[in-house]
Amino acid sequence: AQTVTQSQPEMSVQEAETVTLSCTYDTSESDYYLFWYKQPPSRQMILVIRQEAYKQQNATENRFSVNFQKAAKSFSLKISDSQLGDAAMYFCAYRRGFFYNQGGKLIFGQGTELSVKP
Amino acid sequence: EPEVTQTPSHQVTQMGQEVILRCVPISNHLYFYWYRQILGQKVEFLVSFYNNEISEKSEIFDDQFSVERPDGSNFTLKIRSTKLEDSAMYFCASRDREFVGNTGELFFGEGSRLTVL
Repeated sequence: AQTVTQSQPEMSVQEAETVTLSCTYDTSESDYYLFWYKQPPSRQMILVIRQEAYKQQNATENRFSVNFQKAAKSFSLKISDSQLGDAAMYFCAYRRGFFYNQGGKLIFGQGTELSVKP
Repeated sequence: EPEVTQTPSHQVTQMGQEVILRCVPISNHLYFYWYRQILGQKVEFLVSFYNNEISEKSEIFDDQFSVERPDGSNFTLKIRSTKLEDSAMYFCASRDREFVGNTGELFFGEGSRLTVL
């Protein structure tokens, strides 16, 4: 079975600084997707960034980027120039790829609560 | 921008009562999901639904739970006889099919908070 682990329950960063959130996963599958979701106090899960396992290039979305290490099964999220609005719970998630089936459930990690200090 | 909507936002019920949580997925999406999040804990998969049937369910999704897509737009989660431990935030999600260039990301609703007394 696939598992996702986030070993940092809480992280803190100074406004305008950079922070990296860690995520590791375990799978025997070769085709999968990885995601980072943000859950602000409003509770809605918002997609931050995604990575297809077959792509070697790390995904980037504005201030958000990932360091995808497929062999190490590591998928960390880097937030540059942190803003107060980045404060939220961040979840790493795994989903099986198109090759396997179209069921597509997400498997979430435990989450990392990020606080941003002004 | 299209979004997933959920009702009610908060429901309080007595233990043993039936509860129905409603979701309106994004209109052209084909896959539907329910997740739950007990306060302060991880988001847990309950069930996925495709082509008018359950495609996968977790151990949590026992006989007390059921899902239905009664009219082609709504997607409901029913809990027949609620227990205290059912108190949680329930999230509905939907997604389109995958194809080249589209990872089929899940879009989540804002959640329905269920409190069982």
